[in-house]
Amino acid sequence: GDSVTQMEGPVTLSEEAFLTINCTYTATGYPSLFWYVQYPGEGLQLLLKATKADDKGSNKGFEATYRKETTSFHLEKGSVQVSDSAVYFCALLDTGNQFYFGTGTSLTVIP
Amino acid sequence: EAGVTQFPSHSVIEKGQTVTLRCDPISGHDNLYWYRRVMGKEIKFLLHFVKESKQDESGMPNNRFLAERTGGTYSTLKVQPAELEDSGVYFCASSQTGGSYNEQFFGPGTRLTVL
Repeated sequence: GDSVTQMEGPVTLSEEAFLTINCTYTATGYPSLFWYVQYPGEGLQLLLKATKADDKGSNKGFEATYRKETTSFHLEKGSVQVSDSAVYFCALLDTGNQFYFGTGTSLTVIP
Repeated sequence: EAGVTQFPSHSVIEKGQTVTLRCDPISGHDNLYWYRRVMGKEIKFLLHFVKESKQDESGMPNNRFLAERTGGTYSTLKVQPAELEDSGVYFCASSQTGGSYNEQFFGPGTRLTVL
């Protein structure tokens, strides 16, 4: 069945460091790929998405490229801020409109 | 516009007791979804309502879980009787209908602890 595997955390970075959170997927068909973020005390929020191969999703300085050849959708940010501290979830939406999420990666950014 | 709200934010109960979680979707959203994240694991789909009808309940773990959405507005998820493995965070999401993809808006979740 469809599934998502993402880098385990927790991840701790200093402010302005480079961030990569790895995400790979297994799917039949052509899923859409997402990154969701959960800030402390809040619900899941859509961070970015990509609906087909080679698409790049971007938002708030974060980027991820849909790589069909490596079945990956790694999240990157060039310079993290303290306010980026949150839990990040990689997810795929299959052709039946069902979501499959990864286990989440907790990020803490220290000043 | 108010987002998806869930109540309570946290519930602690003993094994064998009953708990009812509530979700209020964004007004006008016909689609309502329940998900669960067990400690440290992935968020898993439980079920999907379209208005008051269950569209897909393939993720419901067993018959101790009962979801309802009377009137097609808010939804409740009852666990009876609760077991230790039911502990986790229960998320609700809602979305509009129409088009190839409609963003799901998530609530803050209800953290359920079964002792």
